Amino acid sequence: AQSVTQLDSQVPVFEEAPVELRCNYSSSVSVYLFWYVQYPNQGLQLLLKYLSGSTLVKGINGFEAEFNKSQTSFHLRKPSVHISDTAEYFCAVSEGVAGKLIFGQGTELSVKP
Amino acid sequence: DTEVTQTPKHLVMGMTNKKSLKCEQHMGHRAMYWYKQKAKKPPELMFVYSYEKLSINESVPSRFSPECPNSSLLNLHLHALQPEDSALYLCASSQDYSGSYEQYFGPGTRLTVT
Repeated sequence: AQSVTQLDSQVPVFEEAPVELRCNYSSSVSVYLFWYVQYPNQGLQLLLKYLSGSTLVKGINGFEAEFNKSQTSFHLRKPSVHISDTAEYFCAVSEGVAGKLIFGQGTELSVKP
Repeated sequence: DTEVTQTPKHLVMGMTNKKSLKCEQHMGHRAMYWYKQKAKKPPELMFVYSYEKLSINESVPSRFSPECPNSSLLNLHLHALQPEDSALYLCASSQDYSGSYEQYFGPGTRLTVT
């Protein structure tokens, strides 16, 4: 069965510093990978996705992620964070035909001035 | 229009009440989903509709009853809920029920059962 592990439950960081949110998945087949962001009291918004091709994926709001098949990882990065990036971030994976998303437990990013 | 709308935004109901949550999308998506999300947790899948037919029921108690009247609308009928059912209920849609299509989420309905 698939699983997703987000290695950090909370990541505090100062404004304008770089950040990396880590995500590892377990699957024996090809997967599709997603990062979603959830601001307080809102639904989830897609930041970026990996389907195939280039392993470096660029998303919205200056975020990017790198797919590493050998390490089964899909870490999210931003070179310089803003206060407005404070939110919960979810890594998710789906397999092949079925569209069921398996979510990680989430990482709370807290950006301090 | 890439929006999924949900009504109401907030709902307080007693354990003997009957209420409904509504979800709507006009993106021509053929798959629609209901999720339940507790505080500080990821969304948990409840139901999937594909081409207006129920495809997946994740062993959800019968006090939750989904309905898909047409390809744009998804309802969740609630009856005899328990306090532990209090949560954020999220609706989502995707182009098709395939792993490569991203899901678009609505803002959710915050449900409190008293």
